Amino acid sequence: AQKVTQAQTEISVVEKEDVTLDCVYETRDTTYYLFWYKQPPSGELVFLIRRNSFDEQNEISGRYSWNFQKSTSSFNFTITASQVVDSAVYFCALKENNFNKFYFGSGTKLNVKP
Amino acid sequence: DTAVSQTPKYLVTQMGNDKSIKCEQNLGHDTMYWYKQDSKKFLKIMFSYNNKELIINETVPNRFSPKSPDKAHLNLHINSLELGDSAVYFCASSQGRLAGVTDTQYFGPGTRLTVL
Repeated sequence: AQKVTQAQTEISVVEKEDVTLDCVYETRDTTYYLFWYKQPPSGELVFLIRRNSFDEQNEISGRYSWNFQKSTSSFNFTITASQVVDSAVYFCALKENNFNKFYFGSGTKLNVKP
Repeated sequence: DTAVSQTPKYLVTQMGNDKSIKCEQNLGHDTMYWYKQDSKKFLKIMFSYNNKELIINETVPNRFSPKSPDKAHLNLHINSLELGDSAVYFCASSQGRLAGVTDTQYFGPGTRLTVL
Protein backbone atom coordinates (compact mmCIF):
# COMPACT_ATOMS: atom_id res chain seq x y z
CA ALA A 1 0.00 0.00 0.00
CA GLN A 2 1.13 3.51 -0.74
CA LYS A 3 2.31 5.31 2.35
CA VAL A 4 1.92 8.72 0.72
CA THR A 5 -0.82 9.48 -1.77
CA GLN A 6 -1.00 12.57 -3.90
CA ALA A 7 -4.20 11.98 -5.82
CA GLN A 8 -3.86 15.07 -8.00
CA THR A 9 -1.56 14.22 -10.87
CA GLU A 10 -1.70 17.63 -12.48
CA ILE A 11 -3.38 20.94 -11.68
CA SER A 12 -3.64 24.01 -13.87
CA VAL A 13 -4.55 27.43 -12.53
CA VAL A 14 -4.36 30.98 -13.71
CA GLU A 15 -1.99 33.35 -11.99
CA LYS A 16 -3.32 34.88 -8.76
CA GLU A 17 -5.63 31.95 -8.10
CA ASP A 18 -5.24 30.03 -4.85
CA VAL A 19 -4.45 26.34 -5.18
CA THR A 20 -4.31 23.46 -2.70
CA LEU A 21 -2.21 20.38 -3.22
CA ASP A 22 -3.46 17.34 -1.34
CA CYS A 23 -1.36 14.81 0.52
CA VAL A 24 -2.68 11.82 2.43
CA TYR A 25 -0.33 9.56 4.35
CA GLU A 26 -0.50 6.22 6.10
CA THR A 27 1.52 5.12 9.09
CA ARG A 28 1.16 3.18 12.32
CA ASP A 29 3.90 5.11 14.03
CA THR A 30 2.90 7.68 16.60
CA THR A 31 5.96 9.74 15.82
CA TYR A 32 6.64 10.62 12.22
CA TYR A 33 7.64 13.51 10.01
CA LEU A 34 6.06 15.01 6.93
CA PHE A 35 7.72 17.03 4.21
CA TRP A 36 7.01 18.97 1.07
CA TYR A 37 9.53 19.37 -1.74
CA LYS A 38 9.37 21.44 -4.89
CA GLN A 39 10.88 20.36 -8.20
CA PRO A 40 10.86 23.26 -10.67
CA PRO A 41 11.41 22.69 -14.41
CA SER A 42 15.16 23.09 -13.83
CA GLY A 43 15.03 19.72 -12.07
CA GLU A 44 16.46 20.22 -8.59
CA LEU A 45 14.53 19.07 -5.53
CA VAL A 46 14.03 21.87 -3.05
CA PHE A 47 13.01 21.29 0.55
CA LEU A 48 10.05 23.45 1.56
CA ILE A 49 8.84 22.33 4.97
CA ARG A 50 9.06 19.63 7.64
CA ARG A 51 6.27 18.92 10.10
CA ASN A 52 6.52 16.65 13.14
CA SER A 53 3.56 14.48 14.11
CA PHE A 54 3.29 15.96 17.57
CA ASP A 55 3.00 19.49 16.22
CA GLU A 56 -0.33 19.99 14.51
CA GLN A 57 -0.02 23.71 14.32
CA ASN A 58 -0.54 24.95 10.79
CA GLU A 59 2.23 26.97 9.25
CA ILE A 60 2.32 29.97 6.97
CA SER A 61 5.32 31.21 5.09
CA GLY A 62 4.56 34.08 2.77
CA ARG A 63 2.14 32.80 0.13
CA TYR A 64 2.62 29.21 1.26
CA SER A 65 0.62 27.54 4.00
CA TRP A 66 0.35 24.00 5.24
CA ASN A 67 -2.61 22.34 6.91
CA PHE A 68 -1.71 19.27 8.97
CA GLN A 69 -4.67 17.22 10.18
CA LYS A 70 -3.90 14.00 12.02
CA SER A 71 -7.58 13.04 12.16
CA THR A 72 -7.66 12.68 8.38
CA SER A 73 -3.96 11.83 7.92
CA SER A 74 -3.55 14.75 5.62
CA PHE A 75 -0.88 17.36 5.11
CA ASN A 76 -2.15 19.75 2.46
CA PHE A 77 -0.25 22.59 0.89
CA THR A 78 -1.89 25.82 -0.24
CA ILE A 79 -0.37 28.47 -2.44
CA THR A 80 -2.16 31.78 -2.23
CA ALA A 81 -2.14 34.15 -5.19
CA SER A 82 -0.18 31.73 -7.33
CA GLN A 83 2.55 32.95 -9.63
CA VAL A 84 4.08 31.51 -12.78
CA VAL A 85 7.26 30.76 -10.80
CA ASP A 86 5.23 28.35 -8.66
CA SER A 87 4.95 26.04 -11.65
CA ALA A 88 6.68 22.85 -10.59
CA VAL A 89 6.13 19.31 -9.44
CA TYR A 90 5.47 19.16 -5.72
CA PHE A 91 6.22 16.09 -3.66
CA CYS A 92 4.90 15.16 -0.26
CA ALA A 93 6.99 12.76 1.82
CA LEU A 94 6.76 10.80 5.07
CA LYS A 95 9.50 9.58 7.37
CA GLU A 96 8.70 7.22 10.19
CA ASN A 97 10.57 7.60 13.44
CA ASN A 98 12.57 4.42 13.54
CA PHE A 99 13.70 4.25 9.96
CA ASN A 100 15.93 6.32 7.74
CA LYS A 101 13.64 5.77 4.78
CA PHE A 102 11.65 8.63 3.29
CA TYR A 103 8.46 7.68 1.45
CA PHE A 104 7.57 9.99 -1.41
CA GLY A 105 4.23 10.53 -3.07
CA SER A 106 3.99 10.42 -6.83
CA GLY A 107 4.01 14.21 -7.08
CA THR A 108 1.54 16.82 -8.28
CA LYS A 109 2.45 18.89 -11.29
CA LEU A 110 1.26 22.47 -10.89
CA ASN A 111 0.94 24.64 -13.97
CA VAL A 112 0.38 28.31 -13.30
CA LYS A 113 -0.59 30.18 -16.44
CA PRO A 114 -0.16 33.92 -16.86
CA ASP B 1 28.53 26.58 -0.69
CA THR B 2 27.17 23.46 -2.33
CA ALA B 3 25.56 21.18 0.24
CA VAL B 4 25.06 18.02 -1.81
CA SER B 5 26.92 17.79 -5.09
CA GLN B 6 26.85 15.19 -7.84
CA THR B 7 29.04 14.60 -10.85
CA PRO B 8 28.48 14.45 -13.69
CA LYS B 9 25.29 16.41 -14.27
CA TYR B 10 24.71 14.72 -17.62
CA LEU B 11 25.85 11.30 -18.73
CA VAL B 12 25.23 9.91 -22.19
CA THR B 13 26.53 6.44 -22.91
CA GLN B 14 26.03 3.32 -24.96
CA MET B 15 24.23 0.20 -23.84
CA GLY B 16 26.54 -2.28 -22.20
CA ASN B 17 28.97 0.30 -20.83
CA ASP B 18 29.89 0.74 -17.18
CA LYS B 19 29.57 4.17 -15.58
CA SER B 20 29.82 5.82 -12.18
CA ILE B 21 28.12 8.78 -10.56
CA LYS B 22 29.75 10.50 -7.62
CA CYS B 23 28.07 12.24 -4.72
CA GLU B 24 29.49 14.32 -1.93
CA GLN B 25 27.86 16.20 0.93
CA ASN B 26 29.43 18.83 3.16
CA LEU B 27 26.59 19.01 5.66
CA GLY B 28 28.17 16.64 8.15
CA HIS B 29 25.25 14.25 7.70
CA ASP B 30 25.45 10.58 8.65
CA THR B 31 23.05 9.18 6.07
CA MET B 32 23.14 9.28 2.29
CA TYR B 33 20.74 8.00 -0.34
CA TRP B 34 20.39 7.24 -4.01
CA TYR B 35 17.07 7.75 -5.77
CA LYS B 36 16.01 7.07 -9.33
CA GLN B 37 13.45 9.38 -10.92
CA ASP B 38 11.80 8.03 -14.02
CA SER B 39 10.18 9.93 -16.86
CA LYS B 40 6.92 10.11 -14.92
CA LYS B 41 8.74 11.87 -12.08
CA PHE B 42 8.27 9.02 -9.66
CA LEU B 43 11.06 9.01 -7.05
CA LYS B 44 12.23 5.55 -6.14
CA ILE B 45 14.67 4.89 -3.31
CA MET B 46 17.52 2.64 -4.33
CA PHE B 47 20.05 2.59 -1.52
CA SER B 48 20.88 4.26 1.74
CA TYR B 49 24.07 4.30 3.77
CA ASN B 50 24.50 5.36 7.35
CA ASN B 51 28.08 6.07 8.35
CA LYS B 52 29.38 3.96 5.45
CA GLU B 53 27.08 1.06 6.30
CA LEU B 54 24.39 -0.07 3.89
CA ILE B 55 21.00 0.21 5.59
CA ILE B 56 18.51 0.29 2.74
CA ASN B 57 18.82 -1.86 -0.33
CA GLU B 58 15.64 -1.84 -2.34
CA THR B 59 14.91 -4.21 -5.18
CA VAL B 60 17.54 -2.96 -7.55
CA PRO B 61 19.39 -5.03 -10.17
CA ASN B 62 22.79 -6.09 -8.90
CA ARG B 63 24.31 -4.21 -11.83
CA PHE B 64 23.95 -1.23 -9.50
CA SER B 65 26.56 -1.10 -6.77
CA PRO B 66 26.85 1.72 -4.28
CA LYS B 67 30.11 2.49 -2.53
CA SER B 68 30.66 4.74 0.44
CA PRO B 69 34.35 5.39 1.12
CA ASP B 70 33.42 7.72 3.99
CA LYS B 71 30.25 9.22 5.35
CA ALA B 72 30.55 12.30 3.15
CA HIS B 73 30.64 10.33 -0.10
CA LEU B 74 28.31 7.87 -1.74
CA ASN B 75 29.07 6.77 -5.28
CA LEU B 76 26.93 4.70 -7.61
CA HIS B 77 28.48 2.35 -10.11
CA ILE B 78 26.36 0.82 -12.84
CA ASN B 79 27.54 -2.14 -14.89
CA SER B 80 26.27 -3.23 -18.29
CA LEU B 81 23.98 -0.28 -18.76
CA GLU B 82 20.55 -0.94 -20.28
CA LEU B 83 18.08 1.34 -22.02
CA GLY B 84 15.78 1.16 -18.99
CA ASP B 85 18.45 2.69 -16.81
CA SER B 86 17.88 6.04 -18.48
CA ALA B 87 16.58 8.33 -15.75
CA VAL B 88 17.61 11.11 -13.42
CA TYR B 89 19.55 9.86 -10.42
CA PHE B 90 19.46 11.92 -7.27
CA CYS B 91 21.76 11.71 -4.32
CA ALA B 92 20.49 12.97 -0.98
CA SER B 93 21.68 13.20 2.59
CA SER B 94 20.14 13.59 6.01
CA GLN B 95 21.34 13.62 9.57
CA GLY B 96 19.84 10.20 10.12
CA ARG B 97 17.47 8.55 12.55
CA LEU B 98 19.21 9.85 15.63
CA ALA B 99 18.47 13.39 14.49
CA GLY B 100 14.84 12.80 15.36
CA VAL B 101 12.69 15.86 14.89
CA THR B 102 15.24 17.77 12.86
CA ASP B 103 15.97 15.08 10.29
CA THR B 104 15.49 16.46 6.80
CA GLN B 105 16.66 15.14 3.48
CA TYR B 106 18.58 17.43 1.13
CA PHE B 107 19.08 16.56 -2.49
CA GLY B 108 21.85 16.96 -4.98
CA PRO B 109 21.14 18.54 -8.39
CA GLY B 110 20.64 15.18 -10.09
CA THR B 111 22.46 13.31 -12.84
CA ARG B 112 20.57 12.78 -16.05
CA LEU B 113 21.66 9.43 -17.46
CA THR B 114 20.81 8.62 -21.07
CA VAL B 115 21.57 5.17 -22.38
CA LEU B 116 21.60 4.87 -26.16
